[in-house]
Amino acid sequence: DMKVTQMPRYLIKRMGENVLLECGQDMSHETMYWYRQDPGLGLQLIYISYDVDSNSEGDIPKGYRVSRKKREHFSLILDSAKTNQTSVYFCASTPGGSAETLYFGSGTRLTVL
Amino acid sequence: GDSVTQTEGLVTLTEGLPVMLNCTYQSTYSPFLFWYVQHLNEAPKLLLKSFTDNKRPEHQGFHATLHKSSSSFHLQKSSAQLSDSALYYCALTGNQGKLIFGQGTKLSIKP
Repeated sequence: DMKVTQMPRYLIKRMGENVLLECGQDMSHETMYWYRQDPGLGLQLIYISYDVDSNSEGDIPKGYRVSRKKREHFSLILDSAKTNQTSVYFCASTPGGSAETLYFGSGTRLTVL
Repeated sequence: GDSVTQTEGLVTLTEGLPVMLNCTYQSTYSPFLFWYVQHLNEAPKLLLKSFTDNKRPEHQGFHATLHKSSSSFHLQKSSAQLSDSALYYCALTGNQGKLIFGQGTKLSIKP
């Protein structure tokens, strides 16, 4: 069963703390994404990864960084979290190529106090 | 740059009435267009994808027609069901494999 797994589902942090969001997929997909979802703004692309150590900024990369050391894992890191980073974060993967379907994880709801 | 516009934030309909959700786009080339659906507390998942040969994609009673002349890919269904209540995203393929989403339209179906 094809699956994208995100951990944790819910997370509460204080402003200034570091945050690590993890994502895994069991489909050997080359391309992985991190999006954030905010009401009225839709899904905004933070970073895209084309394979191990091959990452590219999306539309809103400021305040975030990523790590992909294995094809099946893609991490999103917030160094010194800010309150405006409170959001729902979705990881997604696709086999490769721009016309392929994205498979999304269940999301992580992050609250920064 | 490439962009997707969904003008309606919320569409409320009575069960049994037709559905039409608007999607227009701007792109420097001929992209693929998609509709994703997200039910409450679930992940977005693919509903429809445009074809290269102008066929009309259909799934679960929904269909969408890509009109390149008007840069539109509106989502339609002849008769709404309560279970269609969800958040719907239109998206297009941008450069470098990026998928660009619109703002989303919340569809609420009332009995």
